[in-house]
Amino acid sequence: EIVLTQSPATLSLSPGERATLSCRASQSISDSFLAWYQQKPGQAPRLLIYDASSRATGIPDRFSGSGSGTDFTLTISRLEPEDFAVYYCQQYVSSPTFGQGTNVEIK
Amino acid sequence: EVELVQSGGGLVQSGGSLRLSCVASGFTFSRYAMNWVRQAPGKGLEWVSVISTTGDSTYTADSVKGRFTISRDNSKNALYLQMNSLRAEDTAVYYCAKRASSGYYPNNCYDYWGQGTLVSVSP
Repeated sequence: EIVLTQSPATLSLSPGERATLSCRASQSISDSFLAWYQQKPGQAPRLLIYDASSRATGIPDRFSGSGSGTDFTLTISRLEPEDFAVYYCQQYVSSPTFGQGTNVEIK
Repeated sequence: EVELVQSGGGLVQSGGSLRLSCVASGFTFSRYAMNWVRQAPGKGLEWVSVISTTGDSTYTADSVKGRFTISRDNSKNALYLQMNSLRAEDTAVYYCAKRASSGYYPNNCYDYWGQGTLVSVSP
């Protein structure tokens, strides 16, 4: 099983600031089969990024993904009020697993 | 518009059974593998099971293998999860999720999710 470790656990930022979230895998993820999701309280997750760097349909361009191998990053260039949420990474090169999440909260 | 509408959750005693349903609309259901993903209260996400387009191939997480069975009825655009021998640790919100285009079956990411249904198992 591929274990995904997200850091930090909590990120305290103000609207307009840049957010950088990390996801590290216990083994290399080939074909960059890594996705990022946003989840707000009481809602289902929403797909933001797939294949490490491709934005899903309807996702604003302030969200970007990068990385390969074992180290991946989700960047939110300028935080909007609606971006404060929990973010999960997921690998799908083998039996799917998720990271434990990063909570982006208002400072 | 893609929509996944879930039903069937609730409170059950340990050792009991429940069947979850997920009805799809807005896309050609029979062309996509479908999944169940769960989330224990205050915890992260855990993939549970996947089924192929025709239903002839399924995979299930070790944590529920032998107790949970995924199935589908393409004539009804419906996905199911039969949960038997339920345990307290199965308490979670269960989501059905549509396979996104990326990745190779049975391992995918998910582009549309149901609204979630809570399953509570009392000890």
